[in-house]
Amino acid sequence: GALVYQYPRRTICKSGTSMRMECQAVGFQATSVAWYRQSPQKTFELIALSTVNSAIKYEQNFTQEKFPISHPNLSFSSMTVLNAYLEDRGLYLCGARDLDSYEQYFGPGTRLTVL
Amino acid sequence: GDQVKQSPSALSLQEGTNSALRCNFSIATTTVQWFLQNPRGSLMNLFYLVPGTKENGRLKSTFNSKESYSTLHIRDAQLEDSGTYFCAAEAQGGRALIFGTGTTVSVSP
Repeated sequence: GALVYQYPRRTICKSGTSMRMECQAVGFQATSVAWYRQSPQKTFELIALSTVNSAIKYEQNFTQEKFPISHPNLSFSSMTVLNAYLEDRGLYLCGARDLDSYEQYFGPGTRLTVL
Repeated sequence: GDQVKQSPSALSLQEGTNSALRCNFSIATTTVQWFLQNPRGSLMNLFYLVPGTKENGRLKSTFNSKESYSTLHIRDAQLEDSGTYFCAAEAQGGRALIFGTGTTVSVSP
């Protein structure tokens, strides 16, 4: 079956420091990976969409300078939150789209706490 | 935000009853997905829909692209159906999914 792993599941960092999170698709080839942040109120914000062989598209309010993403192959993506502050807290979810079925599968998320 | 409106925001059900959740889209939508999020945050895939209807056990979902809405019906609700349900729309052009605001469902004995 199609699975998406995310690492770490939880992380705590000091204000002003950076942390990197990873996303791995298993059992399918991911034509694209989308990174989201879910607020404590449960609303989803799209951070960026990364499609193989295309430039990474960042949404308004999110920049490559703040959230650099690496997407080196069809099964792996990583994102770093640089210079994290309180407003960066939340559950970061990665969704990978299956190349064959076009269905999007999500990992369990990386929960970021900033002190 | 307003591109995918999901209702109701919360739903309390007794075991054995039926209910429906709805999403209205203000964008041209090509496909819809429904998810159930557990308290730990994991999103479980329920349905992937092109226009039409799918059924899986006690769940049935419809996506009507002409009238820009999708519904999720829960039949004979069970305690394990509790959680937050999200619909998500894929807009024309193949961009990432746009999520609704979620429906928190609580099923009680």
